[in-house]
Amino acid sequence: GIQVEQSPPDLILQEGANSTLRCNFSDSVNNLQWFHQNPWGQLINLFYIPSGTKQNGRLSATTVATERYSLLYISSSQTTDSGVYFCAARRGFNTGTASKLTFGTGTRLQVTL
Amino acid sequence: NAGVTQTPKFQVLKTGQSMTLQCAQDMNHEYMSWYRQDPGMGLRLIHYSVGAGITDQGEVPNGYNVSRSTTEDFPLRLLSAAPSQTSVYFCASSYSSSGQETQYFGPGTRLLVL
Repeated sequence: GIQVEQSPPDLILQEGANSTLRCNFSDSVNNLQWFHQNPWGQLINLFYIPSGTKQNGRLSATTVATERYSLLYISSSQTTDSGVYFCAARRGFNTGTASKLTFGTGTRLQVTL
Repeated sequence: NAGVTQTPKFQVLKTGQSMTLQCAQDMNHEYMSWYRQDPGMGLRLIHYSVGAGITDQGEVPNGYNVSRSTTEDFPLRLLSAAPSQTSVYFCASSYSSSGQETQYFGPGTRLLVL
């Protein structure tokens, strides 16, 4: 199956700082998503981004499918951004297995005052 | 919409007991999945379904059964609980529309097997 690797594993930022999280994947993908797991365990979808660039407020994501990586940018970080960020991908070019995502092990982010 | 709901929130089992984790969604999503999350690891897919009556195995299916009799419900059954099944279990649903597929997760069920 596809391999998904995330870096860095841990990140500590002061409030207001910017950060970049990276996700490498081992094969062509037709589904790439970023999730945030808050300190209470809830998983929230941030982006569906198998290719290209998207922005949502202070967060943006870019996937370069030909080079098999995706980046999540967090600008002007806030304490509420703390938690674990997961990248998940599905290999291939066909639909029909929409649920079969492979997750990375995540980047744990702590934003301090 | 309630989104994806899971019950119970927390459960303690003894080795060898069986139980069913409930999952329901009210968004009419065709795809549903079960994942487990262990410390220091990402989520691993247990079973998934692409529609009512259709299920398939994920990465770690052993010791678990699923069925999908309706679009809304996707229960996960532990046949004979083992300490290795101590984990947090997440149910998710998703849809495919205009080339976009997005997963929505339930709040999770924390399971402890003694």
